[in-house]
Formats: sequence, structure tokens, C-alpha cells
Amino acid sequence: AQKITQTQPGMFVQEKEAVTLDCTYDTSDPSYGLFWYKQPSSGEMIFLIYQGSYDQQNATEGRYSLNFQKARKSANLVISASQLGDSAMYFCAMRDDAGGTSYGKLTFGQGTILTVHP
Amino acid sequence: GAGVSQSPSNKVTEKGKDVELRCDPISGHTALYWYRQSLGQGLEFLIYFQGNSAPDKSGLPSDRFSAERTGGSVSTLTIQRTQQEDSAVYLCASRPPGQGPRQPQHFGDGTRLSIL
Repeated sequence: AQKITQTQPGMFVQEKEAVTLDCTYDTSDPSYGLFWYKQPSSGEMIFLIYQGSYDQQNATEGRYSLNFQKARKSANLVISASQLGDSAMYFCAMRDDAGGTSYGKLTFGQGTILTVHP
Repeated sequence: GAGVSQSPSNKVTEKGKDVELRCDPISGHTALYWYRQSLGQGLEFLIYFQGNSAPDKSGLPSDRFSAERTGGSVSTLTIQRTQQEDSAVYLCASRPPGQGPRQPQHFGDGTRLSIL
């Protein structure tokens, strides 16, 4: 069974600073995808970044980057130059791509609440 | 273009009543997912549709929960004889066909269900 662990219930960062949100995962499948979503207080889930298990390079999307350490089974999200609008809940999620399909369900971590201080 | 639309946005009902939650996916998205977000359990998968069939319904918590999808589009999640533990935000997501593994699931804003 897949499991995602986010050990930081809450994180605080100063505006314009960088912050790392931790995510570790457990799976026996060699093929999987890792996702980060942002959930502001309004409730919508916003996709941020994706990392495939066979990707050789860490994913980047604007101010978001993913520190993927496959051997350690970690997929930490790095947000650079934090903005007040980054304050939200952040979820790490994994999708099992075994069997060549990428339509599997997402398994989510418990989330980390990020607060950006001015 | 329009995103995933869910209705109602909020639903308050009495214990024992049946409720229906609706999801209208992004046009052309063949895959549709239901998840539940609650304080105690976090975000949990409920059911996945590909077209009108449900290859994975492993997350439905009991036989009080059912879902259907018609015309490869709109889906309805039905909860019969609601219990207080059913109180949660029910999220729907959809995904387009043939876009490869990088394509994420796109979520609606959810239905907040409160059982009195």
C-alpha cells in the first residue's frame, strides 16, 4: 500500500524568503508520479508541480521546485521568494502508475499549513 | 474554459436523510474522481470513473455510498441514510485522455456536507 507522510503540520516563513515543505513516501511500485497541490482557505485544490519516478532531473515550475531524492523516497517542495499569497495548506500526493496507466487515484499526505509573514 | 463544477457548494441535512452531490467535469475529460476531505481522515479517495464505468470503487466507505456517471460527463455521488461521520468536503476531480503521466487531476471547489 502507498503512504505519504508530511511531518510538518505548520510552517512559518518570512516574505521573500525560501521555504521547504517535507514529503516522504512509501511504495513498492517502480513507476509512480508525485504531485504537490496548494489549497488556500477558499478551498480549491491548485496543482503546483509534478515529478515522475523515472525523471532524471528535479521538476521546476516558476518559484516552485521539487527536491526529489528517490533513494530516500522524499519529494520536498521548495518555494522561493515567498509571497503573502503563498499562505495556504500544501498537500503532497502520489499516484501509482503500475501497469502503464496514469489514471490511478491520488494518495495524499496530511498537509502542511504554510503561513507567510510580512 | 470552465473548470470542474460541483453543486451544491454547501449542503446541510438531518441525519438519516439521503443526499446527492453533483460533479460536472471539464469538457472532454474522460476520467473523473471523487475524494472526501475531513478533519480526522484527511483527503481520501472514494471512486474513479473512466467514461461511464468505475474501474476503481475501492474507497467507498460503505454500501450507503454510491456513484454513477452518465453520458461520460456528469457524475452524482449519493449518500443514503446519512450519518454524522459523513460530514466532510466532497471533492471531484477530472483528467483528460491521452495526455501522458504529467497531466494532473483538476479539482472542483467541493461540496461542504454537514449532517446535523
